Amino acid sequence: ELTQSPGTLSLSPGERTTLSCRTSQTISSTYLAWYQQKPGQAPRVLIYGASSRAAGIPDRFSGSGSGTDFTLTISRLEPEDFAVYYCQYRGGSFGGGTKVEIK
Amino acid sequence: EAQLEESGGGLVQPGGSLRLSCAVSGFTFSNYWMNWVRQAPGKGLEWVASINQDGSENYYVGSVKGRFTISRDNAKNSLYLQMNSLRAEDTAVYYCARSRDNANDYWGQGTLVTVSS
Repeated sequence: ELTQSPGTLSLSPGERTTLSCRTSQTISSTYLAWYQQKPGQAPRVLIYGASSRAAGIPDRFSGSGSGTDFTLTISRLEPEDFAVYYCQYRGGSFGGGTKVEIK
Repeated sequence: EAQLEESGGGLVQPGGSLRLSCAVSGFTFSNYWMNWVRQAPGKGLEWVASINQDGSENYYVGSVKGRFTISRDNAKNSLYLQMNSLRAEDTAVYYCARSRDNANDYWGQGTLVTVSS
């Protein structure tokens, strides 16, 4: 099971933010991915293998973590970054999501 | 570039059946695991099923085991999801997605399945 926190973040453009994903058991970092989803759109992969950025993803997005604790960091929020973010284990189950909304 | 396009969604009565299709192009389909992921209205993402490159392995989320069947036709570059005994809680947008490096790197735009009388 993957638990994401917080459920919602209210932030302003330009701010830095860290999203959390905790797994119920220790996993290999190889198996942890992060996605962004905007309303009415399919999800887009941001990070795979816990820390590798997918093709075309800006370097303000970074992933880290190991064991049971993983984080997605957005160094400086751009207007287009306000969306819902999901973590995923091994191409299967997803966390419940964190909504990043404009304050 | 890889493209995936789902079709086959629609309105179906509880207990009914529906077959979703996903047509792919732009990559060698037979080289990749493929997946179905769904999203109920206003809810999060839920992985539904996965299938390996030659169709010999498949996996399902518990809530659809015995009711849904994932399959593929590599000659037709197509992925399928046969859904039987549909329930109201199966109402969702269904996405097909390609697997690479333990992530879903390409997604279709989704097809809406509504189960209602």
